[in-house]
Amino acid sequence: DGGITQSPKYLFRKEGQNVTLSCEQNLNHDAMYWYRQDPGQGLRLIYYSQIVNDFQKGDIAEGYSVSREKKESFPLTVTSAQKNPTAFYLCASSIGRLVTDTQYFGPGTRLTVL
Amino acid sequence: AQKITQTQPGMFVQEKEAVTLDCTYDTSDPSYGLFWYKQPSSGEMIFLIYQGSYDQQNATEGRYSLNFQKARKSANLVISASQLGDSAMYFCAMRESFTGGGNKLTFGTGTQLKVEL
Repeated sequence: DGGITQSPKYLFRKEGQNVTLSCEQNLNHDAMYWYRQDPGQGLRLIYYSQIVNDFQKGDIAEGYSVSREKKESFPLTVTSAQKNPTAFYLCASSIGRLVTDTQYFGPGTRLTVL
Repeated sequence: AQKITQTQPGMFVQEKEAVTLDCTYDTSDPSYGLFWYKQPSSGEMIFLIYQGSYDQQNATEGRYSLNFQKARKSANLVISASQLGDSAMYFCAMRESFTGGGNKLTFGTGTQLKVEL
């Protein structure tokens, strides 16, 4: 089945540690995205990538980094510089970047800083 | 100004009844897309329905329909014949044409729908 997978589902991190969240898609989509969701709020864009080896900052990129070495994969690293990283992280992909292109989401990773 | 506004934090509906979830948006871009997503307690965002700014007819997908009123900048989701499995958070989102700083979905704060027997 085609889809988007994220791992792990739950992640616990100590303060001062970097952690990497995995996102893989087999939909052959060009564009991929990372969003953050805080309790009672909508999603906010962290980073997006339209093609391999290219990515752009979203609205809340500080303290995060990404890479896009393969079309299928768009990992997100939450660095120690991120002041309040506890949140629900959702990865998405779309076939392209047109307004008509639907973004499909993975199941999410819930990150908790201890 | 908020780009997407959902004014109903919570809604209740009886099973088998229809329910309307409100969404208003703000954009000066003539080309945009409006999306509705469902988020059950598991957390995954499930795409429900899409409406393009140039579409002449309201979008429909099974029990979901979108009441698109362009002049009023509203894109309300109508769920017919509600089922217990419809209980979830519902988000309205907008995608504007790429301008170099866009290419994202802007989300509202969501409406929590509870379907009762």
